Amino acid sequence: QQPVQSPQAVILREGEDAVINCSSSKALYSVHWYRQKHGEAPVFLMILLKGGEQKGHEKISASFNEKKQQSSLYLTASQLSYSGTYFCGTARSEKLVFGKGTKLTVNP
Amino acid sequence: ETGVTQTPRHLVMGMTNKKSLKCEQHLGHNAMYWYKQSAKKPLELMFVYSLEERVENNSVPSRFSPECPNSSHLFLHLHTLQPEDSALYLCASSSRTGEGNTIYFGEGSWLTVV
Repeated sequence: QQPVQSPQAVILREGEDAVINCSSSKALYSVHWYRQKHGEAPVFLMILLKGGEQKGHEKISASFNEKKQQSSLYLTASQLSYSGTYFCGTARSEKLVFGKGTKLTVNP
Repeated sequence: ETGVTQTPRHLVMGMTNKKSLKCEQHLGHNAMYWYKQSAKKPLELMFVYSLEERVENNSVPSRFSPECPNSSHLFLHLHTLQPEDSALYLCASSSRTGEGNTIYFGEGSWLTVV
């Protein structure tokens, strides 16, 4: 079951904040977040394994609400390097299934 | 530079050709994957191999044939493809399958079918 991401696209000015949401109609056991720049491979950002877990890397953080079957990715004080497409993935058995992605554009 | 390398990076082939994509991982992982990414669709899981055995075939047409001779190498054999098969094909690996395992992607092979 493919997770649903929102919004589909975000345009920011440098320094602004953004939130990307990922939800599933089925129970989420773990949530993976990746960023992909144009023409490059998706790069792992973080994984959340249990409800209530929050993680952060520099100014990018994420939360996982297991009961709501939802995860959110928070980008604070965005930088130009944050531009790219963000994917959430949910893992069930041997599969890691990704959402359709959220395209983030950070302008000067 | 990632621990997962794919060759070729770009491939143009005719619909009657036979070609192969190659993937090699240098991470000591036991699971390898093929994903397809096109402009219209998100990352689509195609195949999963765990310890050289195929554990997932996600309803992929038979014109795509995977091969995993050992835990470090994965191939995708292509024959009689269609133009709609043009896409970015991503190989990935993880220490094992299942929950909580981070997947590491290669840089992909851009395939154009003419």
